[in-house]
Amino acid sequence: GAVVSQHPSWVICKSGTSVKIECRSLDFQATTMFWYRQFPKQSLMLMATSNEGSKATYEQGVEKDKFLINHASLTLSTLTVTSAHPEDSSFYICSARGILGAADSGANVLTFGAGSRLTVL
Amino acid sequence: QQQVKQSPQSLIVQKGGISIINCAYENTAFDYFPWYQQFPGKGPALLIAIRPDVSEKKEGRFTISFNKSAKQFSLHIMDSQPGDSATYFCAAREGGAQKLVFGQGTRLTINP
Repeated sequence: GAVVSQHPSWVICKSGTSVKIECRSLDFQATTMFWYRQFPKQSLMLMATSNEGSKATYEQGVEKDKFLINHASLTLSTLTVTSAHPEDSSFYICSARGILGAADSGANVLTFGAGSRLTVL
Repeated sequence: QQQVKQSPQSLIVQKGGISIINCAYENTAFDYFPWYQQFPGKGPALLIAIRPDVSEKKEGRFTISFNKSAKQFSLHIMDSQPGDSATYFCAAREGGAQKLVFGQGTRLTINP
């Protein structure tokens, strides 16, 4: 249980184009989703937190107009990297937080997706 | 400012040995401390976690030791195996908040 699917697993795009990454919770409702960025051999840096139906809260230094986050349903959040440039090349990881099982008796879960490797040429 | 400091950055252990990774924190509002294992090109997976009301938690070959007064916690991997070779991250979450703060990571290599 508590499976998070992230797609695509890797993507290559040309500079100036936009790329969308999807994060889906497959067997639970994700009330909150988190988006991270990870450079090679470095830690995970939180980019933004999104609650279903609300605007995302961005961490300091993260451009909200460049990294568009949508969390329109309890099972799907998307991250769109707009006008991507080579410096945006990175590993992007989502995580989803919710309740697995019945709302009044289920277990709180926090599960990470497998990540998306973005390469901007 | 790094809220969770992790060491060592890299670690090499012989098969069958004990791997020990340490983390320290400053924020006393943290009340949940998980450890994650990450393989190359994959997302992190929860390994084991502890709350500050206990000093130790063991699950199979993995043990967390927690020292609340010193604000330190560590991961011990007993009988380390080559399949344990991965990057390990400690993390902490503030009570009432939702987001995790991660340590810098430790690249563990288990030599056969």
